[in-house]
Amino acid sequence: AQSVTQPDIHITVSEGASLELRCNYSYGATPYLFWYVQSPGQGLQLLLKYFSGDTLVQGIKGFEAEFKRSQSSFNLRKPSVHWSDAAEYFCAVGAGRAGANNLFFGTGTRLTVIP
Amino acid sequence: GAGVSQSPSNKVTEKGKDVELRCDPISGHTALYWYRQSLGQGLEFLIYFQGNSAPDKSGLPSDRFSAERTGGSVSTLTIQRTQQEDSAVYLCASSLEASGRQQFFGPGTRLTVL
Repeated sequence: AQSVTQPDIHITVSEGASLELRCNYSYGATPYLFWYVQSPGQGLQLLLKYFSGDTLVQGIKGFEAEFKRSQSSFNLRKPSVHWSDAAEYFCAVGAGRAGANNLFFGTGTRLTVIP
Repeated sequence: GAGVSQSPSNKVTEKGKDVELRCDPISGHTALYWYRQSLGQGLEFLIYFQGNSAPDKSGLPSDRFSAERTGGSVSTLTIQRTQQEDSAVYLCASSLEASGRQQFFGPGTRLTVL
């Protein structure tokens, strides 16, 4: 069965510091992988996605993620965090019956940015 | 419209009442999804519509939950005889088609069952 694990419930970083949010997935086939961000009172916004090809994918707002099949991981990184990055981050794997793409989400990581 | 819209934005109801939540997908998007986000939980897939195909209802938690999609566009999620554990944010998403396409999410409906 598909599942996504985000082991860090809450992370606090200083503004300007680097960031890595962890994501591990379980899926029998080649996964579609996504990172979404949810700011307070906002809907989910797609940061980046991996379908195939280059395992290092670039997203919006300076984020990137690396797909590592051997580790079943898709960690999100940013070299220098801005105060506006404070939000909840969700990793997701796209799965489901042939032709479908319902997403299975992790429980999220809340990011706090301190000045 | 420019994005996925959902109504109402907030709904407070009494235990045992029925509620209907509405989703207007992005025009032209053939795939539509419902998710539930409970406090402290991740998002939970509920149901998926793709064109005229039979919906994938594998995520619906009980037979009190049902959804329709009329004319391949607007969708309504109905919860009958609501329970307190149904309290959550219900999110709708749409995509151009299935199989790996980016899903665009609406702002959600916050349901509170007293």
